[in-house]
Amino acid sequence: EIVLTQSPGSLSLSPGERATLSCRASQSVASSTYLAWYQQKPGQTPRLLIYGASNRATGIPDRFSGSGSGTDFTLTISRLEPEDFALYYCQLYGRATVFGPGTKVDIK
Amino acid sequence: QVHLVQSGAEVKKPGASVRVSCEASGYTFTDHFLHWVRQAPGQGLEWVGRINPTTGSPDFAEKFQGRVTLTSDTSISTAYMELSTLRSDDTATYYCARVGRLCSSNTCVSTYAFDVWGQGTVVTVSS
Repeated sequence: EIVLTQSPGSLSLSPGERATLSCRASQSVASSTYLAWYQQKPGQTPRLLIYGASNRATGIPDRFSGSGSGTDFTLTISRLEPEDFALYYCQLYGRATVFGPGTKVDIK
Repeated sequence: QVHLVQSGAEVKKPGASVRVSCEASGYTFTDHFLHWVRQAPGQGLEWVGRINPTTGSPDFAEKFQGRVTLTSDTSISTAYMELSTLRSDDTATYYCARVGRLCSSNTCVSTYAFDVWGQGTVVTVSS
């Protein structure tokens, strides 16, 4: 089973700054098609941001972008808005779907 | 509008079983795989399993093998997750989530990501 590791565990930034979140797989992913990113705010359900490693989900602002392949994937938030401070999870889909442990982005 | 509506909160004693339902509306139930994900208090997301609503065929995370049953009733567009032999560390919010699809002309492909989530069902296991 593939294990996903996310780094950093937490990130303290100011609004307007750029956030770069990493997701690393323990072995090469068969296809980046299976890699997704979610945002979760306290008390809310997760929200899909990115699917297929780089495709924004419906309604997601273009300040969110995803990239990567193989074992290394990145979620970038180009300019943090106040509503972007949240937890972010990567996910690898399959017969044994797995989530990363999450990265918390909080206000500096 | 697409919705997944889950059953209400449950309080169970250790050793008991719990069944959570997930009723789909606004789309063709059999067109999308349904997954179950749980989140213990203050913890991350943990995948439980998935079901193909068309065939009823399930897959489970290894740690839940033998303890979880996933079923679906296409006549009422509802999926069910039953977890048995409950322990205190099963205390969590359980979510159902739909796998998205992209359709163009007469062809649809999976996005392999969860585009719609249920509101969550809190399951508390306590003696």
